[in-house]
Amino acid sequence: DQQVKQNSPSLSVQEGRISILNCDYTNSMFDYFLWYKKYPAEGPTFLISISSIKDKNEDGRFTVFLNKSAKHLSLHIVPSQPGDSAVYFCAASLLTQGGSEKLVFGKGTKLTVNP
Amino acid sequence: KAGVTQTPRYLIKTRGQQVTLSCSPISGHRSVSWYQQTPGQGLQFLFEYFSETQRNKGNFPGRFSGRQFSNSRSEMNVSTLELGDSALYLCASSLRLAGREQYFGPGTRLTVT
Repeated sequence: DQQVKQNSPSLSVQEGRISILNCDYTNSMFDYFLWYKKYPAEGPTFLISISSIKDKNEDGRFTVFLNKSAKHLSLHIVPSQPGDSAVYFCAASLLTQGGSEKLVFGKGTKLTVNP
Repeated sequence: KAGVTQTPRYLIKTRGQQVTLSCSPISGHRSVSWYQQTPGQGLQFLFEYFSETQRNKGNFPGRFSGRQFSNSRSEMNVSTLELGDSALYLCASSLRLAGREQYFGPGTRLTVT
């Protein structure tokens, strides 16, 4: 049961253009969403997050949009740079019965930014 | 401040063997979570430890176990290895119990032959 889905395994864009990475979720109990970036041979690094009470969060070239009614979020990178080439994971946070929070990750989208 | 460290970085084992992976969290972080990353399944949550107690567990068989020490360092053990256990095992630490912004180590690449 994949609660967080990234339906595009890969995405290729030209340097300077916009990259849009999409993520869908099924569990309406998720209350916080995050994007992580992962380079080969390194662990994922936190990129940007958004609370379920907001619909947009911006940090420099990165903007995350949340559409709760559609259970959809997206990450926009403008302008895209070759150094942005990495695997991007969408994650959603869920409060567990034990009172802690658990992260559920998507399978990732490999972004390639061509010079 | 030093990041999350994991040892060893690479490991090759044969089917049926057991393996122990180690994770040292960022200083001051008390929560350690473990994830398995495979090409087909992405990152899957294994378990989380906080103050030496397992607080959350993912949907993995009992062959996967872990523990946390008083200094917050954590170990993960996999017994009776199967070919399908070949994966990148990632450890993440956070200040408080689970969720939100976790800091990942570089991972241990386990290959089972």
